[in-house]
Amino acid sequence: AQSVTQLDSQVPVFEEAPVELRCNYSSSVSVYLFWYVQYPNQGLQLLLKYLSGSTLVKGINGFEAEFNKSQTSFHLRKPSVHISDTAEYFCAVSDREGGATNKLIFGTGTLLAVQP
Amino acid sequence: NAGVMQNPRHLVRRRGQEARLRCSPMKGHSHVYWYRQLPEEGLKFMVYLQKENIIDESGMPKERFSAEFPKEGPSILRIQQVVRGDSAAYFCASSQDWISGNTIYFGEGSWLTVV
Repeated sequence: AQSVTQLDSQVPVFEEAPVELRCNYSSSVSVYLFWYVQYPNQGLQLLLKYLSGSTLVKGINGFEAEFNKSQTSFHLRKPSVHISDTAEYFCAVSDREGGATNKLIFGTGTLLAVQP
Repeated sequence: NAGVMQNPRHLVRRRGQEARLRCSPMKGHSHVYWYRQLPEEGLKFMVYLQKENIIDESGMPKERFSAEFPKEGPSILRIQQVVRGDSAAYFCASSQDWISGNTIYFGEGSWLTVV
């Protein structure tokens, strides 16, 4: 079984400052890793995903994440945030050996609150 | 090029009534997932369906909840005899296949309020 931990429920940050949203996972098998963003009253949109290869993954809207296998982490970063980045961010994993399914296990989310 | 379409977006039901939530997957997708998001929580997997088949329902409550994805028409998540604890956002997602790692696309959700 897998689990995902997002320790920070809310991260306040000033506009144009850098930000890091933390994600740690636990799994007995190899996993794929994802970050999704949810704007208020909307569905989830994929920011980026790690499947294999380079551990630094670049996504949309200037976000990137780094997979660290030894620390079982997949932290999300952006060097300079905008007001429009205010949203809920979810880290998720799926079982690499998933068999006949592709379901995602989500963390509880981190609210990124960008202040002017 | 429509994405995953869910309706209704907002639904209010009295305790004991039935709620039906509909989901049309993206064009070309035959795999549908339902997730529930309770207040202040992340999304929890409920069920995974292919056309006419339930593949994984490990996240579905044992009673009152059912899901289907018929050969024709949208996928339906049905909640019978709703209770206040069913109030949540229900998200449908779809993918082209079952292969782990392939992108799953989410709809905008259906917000159920039980009064």
